[in-house]
Amino acid sequence: GAVVSQHPSRVICKSGTSVKIECRSLDFQATTMFWYRQFPKQSLMLMATSNEGSKATYEQGVEKDKFLINHASLTLSTLTVTSAHPEDSSFYICSPSVGDTQYFGPGTRLTVL
Amino acid sequence: GESVGLHLPTLSVQEGDNSIINCAYSNSASDYFIWYKQESGKGPQFIIDIRSNMDKRQGQRVTVLLNKTVKHLSLQIAATQPGDSAVYFCAEFRGGGADGLTFGKGTHLIIQP
Repeated sequence: GAVVSQHPSRVICKSGTSVKIECRSLDFQATTMFWYRQFPKQSLMLMATSNEGSKATYEQGVEKDKFLINHASLTLSTLTVTSAHPEDSSFYICSPSVGDTQYFGPGTRLTVL
Repeated sequence: GESVGLHLPTLSVQEGDNSIINCAYSNSASDYFIWYKQESGKGPQFIIDIRSNMDKRQGQRVTVLLNKTVKHLSLQIAATQPGDSAVYFCAEFRGGGADGLTFGKGTHLIIQP
């Protein structure tokens, strides 16, 4: 149980383009979705928190207009990196949660050229 | 600010030996901690957790110790195997389960044959 998928697993894009990352909980419904970002050789940093049907709450320093989060249902959330720049290159990991339990997706490696 | 940190960035042990990974946290109000294992290019994998009303918790080949007096957490892995090579993170619940996790810096555990 508790299978989480992310798509795509890897994406390379040109600077200035937008990239959408999908996160699905395949066999459970998540009350809350967390999105984390991890730069090379660093730890995971929480970017934003969202609940189904509500606007996401962003951490300090994370631009809400740049990282658009849509939490369409209890099993699907998307993160769109708009007007991506090389400094946005990172490993993005979603984490659907049920109560105190957080599950993690396999991550999406974004490389912006 | 409040943070969760690790003492050693890299730990190298011989296969079959025991390993201990340490973590310090600064928020004395924290009441729930989790250890994760992350292999290269993958999302974090839950190992073991502990709540603040406990000092020790054991799993299969792993033990977590919590010392609330000095705000210290450790992960012990017994009889290490090559598959244990990974980066290990301690994480602290930010509060109420709805606020995400604060991750430590990570320790890269290397198992030598």
